Amino acid sequence: QVQLKETGPGLVQPTQTLSITCTVSGFSLTSYYMQWVRQTPGKGLEWMGFIRSGGSTEYNSEFKSRLSISRDTSKNQVFLKMNSLKTEDTGVYYCARGSDSSYNYFDYWGQGVMVTVSS
Amino acid sequence: DIQMTQSPASLSASLGETVTIECLASEDIYDILAWYQQKPGKSPQLLIYDASSLHTGVPSRFSGSGSGTQYSLKINSLQPEDFASYYCQNGLSAPLTFGSGTKLEIK
Repeated sequence: QVQLKETGPGLVQPTQTLSITCTVSGFSLTSYYMQWVRQTPGKGLEWMGFIRSGGSTEYNSEFKSRLSISRDTSKNQVFLKMNSLKTEDTGVYYCARGSDSSYNYFDYWGQGVMVTVSS
Repeated sequence: DIQMTQSPASLSASLGETVTIECLASEDIYDILAWYQQKPGKSPQLLIYDASSLHTGVPSRFSGSGSGTQYSLKINSLQPEDFASYYCQNGLSAPLTFGSGTKLEIK
């Protein structure tokens, strides 16, 4: 069955880089868009960006040049990297699959990884 | 960016009741809207897409309607497992945006 699981650090210092890995099973990354969504106390649910089934990416301009999404299809993994972290980046980070009906809906989600930005 | 305004922010209801949650988009999103349910400590789960289509496995007591800028989620005959938070989401164009959520509590 379809499964997604995020792994990453629980604590990151301000100005440092966040790296999260999403490992998927039950489907192919070359057939679906993969999305990243975060949930913060200040802004609630926020779409961060996606990587298309073909490998190109699109990002929320809110994150400007801080964000990078990539993948390794041989390992069934998608990666999120965001630099210059601030305390307001504290929250839960989710990977999600773009649905069959539209890649802009999220039909399967990982359990999320809680990230705290603090010195 | 398309802003999604949800109301009410919180709602108290009893088992067996019917409730409706509203979502207003800042511009026409042509029914490209989804609804999600989120329970504490869990990830959101897709309920409705394209404003009114039920996602696989979602009980038929959930329904969505609306058009243009105004959409709603209706839950008939509330069950214990329905007490959760609900979010609408613009799926028309990036940046994809979510409403601020409605917390449904048991009365």
